[in-house]
Parts: sequence; structure tokens; C-alpha cells
Amino acid sequence: ETGVTQSPTHLIKTRGQQVTLRCSSQSGHNTVSWYQQALGQGPQFIFQYYREEENGRGNFPPRFSGLQFPNYSSELNVNALELDDSALYLCASSLYGTPNTGELFFGEGSRLTVL
Amino acid sequence: GNSVTQMEGPVTLSEEAFLTINCTYTATGYPSLFWYVQYPGEGLQLLLKATKADDKGSNKGFEATYRKETTSFHLEKGSVQVSDSAVYFCALSGSGSARQLTFGSGTQLTVLP
Repeated sequence: ETGVTQSPTHLIKTRGQQVTLRCSSQSGHNTVSWYQQALGQGPQFIFQYYREEENGRGNFPPRFSGLQFPNYSSELNVNALELDDSALYLCASSLYGTPNTGELFFGEGSRLTVL
Repeated sequence: GNSVTQMEGPVTLSEEAFLTINCTYTATGYPSLFWYVQYPGEGLQLLLKATKADDKGSNKGFEATYRKETTSFHLEKGSVQVSDSAVYFCALSGSGSARQLTFGSGTQLTVLP
């Protein structure tokens, strides 16, 4: 069974640039969620994708956008980067509609530094 | 909205000491409750869960009981090991279709030999 994989693991951008982060979900999972974890804080929900459509969104501006592909992999795009976007971005996969409520399987994250 | 409050950290204990990490929550409806653990250099892993009031989740010697009357889900372990050193996150899952997790701020646990 393949777990959740994310790329890149680390990257550095400058303010105003754009970034794309990628995630491959765990085998058999059809739902992908993205979380932002600032240093010393708990993860915060950005959005979730199911059947290639956004299926829920947290309190993040529209410059945070995403995609889900037919193979259930996903991308997180952030435009017009700000210093406060520096964080660990976590991807999590799950199986939509199971009675198992809310259990997510996380990747190791992509650490973004904005200078 | 939903929120989770964890005890302030970091926590430093000697091996074989008793561990309690407090967690309280605010939520509408009947959330499911979780403890996730983040070992150094690794992703978040589910440690244990409870889906209804009075349920006790347990795993690897850790336990937590879903207390609706006190809106709490405290994590306990009778005898910690050096290998338990990690960051522990309390979280809840609401009843919406997205079932997103709301996390606490995390508690850093260091166990000394």
C-alpha cells in the first residue's frame, strides 16, 4: 500500500511569486485535503477535493486554489505569495463517505519559505 | 465555529512517568475526536480516536475518553518512553460533508532517559 507522497519537500520563493505543490493520495483514497501548518501551530484546513471538485474550504483567500486529477492526485497553487504564507503544507487523503469519521492519512509535507 | 484548546507546552518528563495532555473543545453537534502525533521529520499520524460520548480510544498504551459533559478528550499514558517524544495534536471532525479536522496548537513532549 502506497502512502501519501508530496513534492517538493522544501522550496524557497520570493514575495509575489506563485507556487505549485503536488500530492499523490494513498492507494484507494478518493478525497484529498490540504492543510497549512505555521511554525509552532496546529494545521489549518485550506480545502478538500472530491471527484475533481472543491468540496469544502477553510478561511483562506482565493489566491489559494487547487486541482484534483482523475487519478485522485492533487495540486495546491498559491498566487501572489506573502511572507505569512511561509509554512508547512500538508496533504491528507481519505475515502469519502465511509462510516469512519474524519480519519485522514497525511503526507510529510512541503515546507515553503517566502522571502 | 469549532475550536480545540490544548494545554500549553512543552512538556518534559522522565522515562516511566505518567503523562496527561489536556484537551477541551467547542463544537456544534456531535463531533468525532482524535489525537494525532507528529514524530520528528515525519508526517502526522493518527494515534487514537473516539466517535461518540463515553467512547475510549486507545493505542500504544495511550488512552483518551470522550467526555461530552466536560467537552474534553484528555490524553493519558501510564508510563512514557523516550520514543514517545513527539508533538501531540488534539483534533475534532465536524459533521459537514468535508469532514475537515480542526486542530489544537499541539503539545511538544520530550521524554528524558
